[in-house]
Amino acid sequence: QVQLQQSGAELVKPGSSVKISCKASGYTFTSYDMHWIKQQPGNGLEWIGWIYPGNGNTKYNQKFNGKATLTADKSSSTAYMQLSSLTSEDSAVYFCARSPTMADYFDYWGQGVMVTVSS
Amino acid sequence: DIVLTQSPALAVSLGQRATISCRASQSVSISRYNLMHWYQQKPGQQPKLLIYRASNLASGIPARFSGSGSGTDFTLTINPVQADDIATYYCQQSRESTWTFGGGTKLELK
Repeated sequence: QVQLQQSGAELVKPGSSVKISCKASGYTFTSYDMHWIKQQPGNGLEWIGWIYPGNGNTKYNQKFNGKATLTADKSSSTAYMQLSSLTSEDSAVYFCARSPTMADYFDYWGQGVMVTVSS
Repeated sequence: DIVLTQSPALAVSLGQRATISCRASQSVSISRYNLMHWYQQKPGQQPKLLIYRASNLASGIPARFSGSGSGTDFTLTINPVQADDIATYYCQQSRESTWTFGGGTKLELK
C-alpha cells in the first residue's frame, strides 16, 4: 500500500534552516510528482511546490521562491524540503503529498511535520 | 492566483444532506475537464482526497459523497451525513500552475 512517512517534529531558531523528509513506499517513486503543502495553525492549506523525482524537475509557488528548496533521492525513495531563513511565519505543519503524473490532485498524503520557529 | 471561497462552517443533523460550496474567482474548467477537487481533514490528521475533477469519487470513498459543478461554482454533497463525516472540507483547483485551496468549511452537528 502507498505510504508517505514524514520525519519528526522540529524546533528551530529564527534565521536558521531546516530540512524535512518524506519517505515513499508502495509505489514507483520516480513515476509520480511529490508536492509539499503548508498549513499554519488554525489556517487553511497552501501549496508550496512539486518535484518530479524521475528527473528532478521542480516548480514552486512564487511565494515560496527562495524559501523552500525541493530535492529527491531516488536511491532511498525519499523527498526532501529545505526551508531557509526561518521566521515565526514559517511555523506550520508541512505535508508531502503524491500526485499522479499528468494529474492535478493529491491522492496520498504524509502525516505532516510540525515545524516550530522559536528562540 | 485563483481564489477559492468557501463558507467557514455548516451545521447539519445526522442523517440529513450536507451541501458544501466552493466558488472560484475565475473558471477552473478546461474543455470537458473541471479542475476542482475536494478533501476531508479531521483534527490532527492529513487531508484525504474525496472527489477529483469535480465529480469523480476517489478510491475507497463511500458513495454518500458526491461532487458537481463547472466553471466557477462547485458543490460537495454528503447524503446522508454520518458522525464520522464531522470534519473540515477543502476544495482545491489546478486550473492555473499555482494550485490553490479554499479556506475550508467546518461541518458541525446541529
